[in-house]
Amino acid sequence: DGGITQSPKYLFRKEGQNVTLSCEQNLNHDAMYWYRQDPGQGLRLIYYSQIVNDFQKGDIAEGYSVSREKKESFPLTVTSAQKNPTAFYLCATRTGGRTTNQPQHFGDGTRLSIL
Amino acid sequence: GNSVTQMEGPVTLSEEAFLTINCTYTATGYPSLFWYVQYPGEGLQLLLKATKADDKGSNKGFEATYRKETTSFHLEKGSVQVSDSAVYFCALTPRAGGSARQLTFGSGTQLTVLP
Repeated sequence: DGGITQSPKYLFRKEGQNVTLSCEQNLNHDAMYWYRQDPGQGLRLIYYSQIVNDFQKGDIAEGYSVSREKKESFPLTVTSAQKNPTAFYLCATRTGGRTTNQPQHFGDGTRLSIL
Repeated sequence: GNSVTQMEGPVTLSEEAFLTINCTYTATGYPSLFWYVQYPGEGLQLLLKATKADDKGSNKGFEATYRKETTSFHLEKGSVQVSDSAVYFCALTPRAGGSARQLTFGSGTQLTVLP
């Protein structure tokens, strides 16, 4: 979607190294999300944030960390504790509060591979 | 908990054939339902949505009707094109409660349309 920028598009990590994936949005959306997609599978939620300086774990948060210091930015760090980090990572945003039915909008993704 | 079950792929059709991709869900209350499409190497794009029973979402010739009695949201298109080749995801978000309106995804259905 226009307005959600994920970088880099491709990223390579060495064993034991932390890497950070960037997600920036100019849609003025309150909520932001990180998903992991493995080949032939659906998306699994890693972390999400409803407002600045607040975030919650999703279904597969182990080995990942996030921050939300600005409304526009929600970076994801893949730590060395994540033993199988090779995947396609998708960032999404959504407007409105908890009671709206607005859809999530997605960036173009970052593909992370282990060297 | 919430879950989405999609028809397993891959699905291969000839151009101008009729498409149906089945989707059923399990959720409490009345969730909102979505179809997303993912083209190779890209993020997800919202294709259509429905927020209450008997609603019909439609976009680009695709349609899906929210059937509460059968807890289904099947995707249909009367005449597919080669450019429709992609992975299609059915998803839901709870109407009430549900932290940050999380999306629950099906596993995706790969569609290939041959000329």
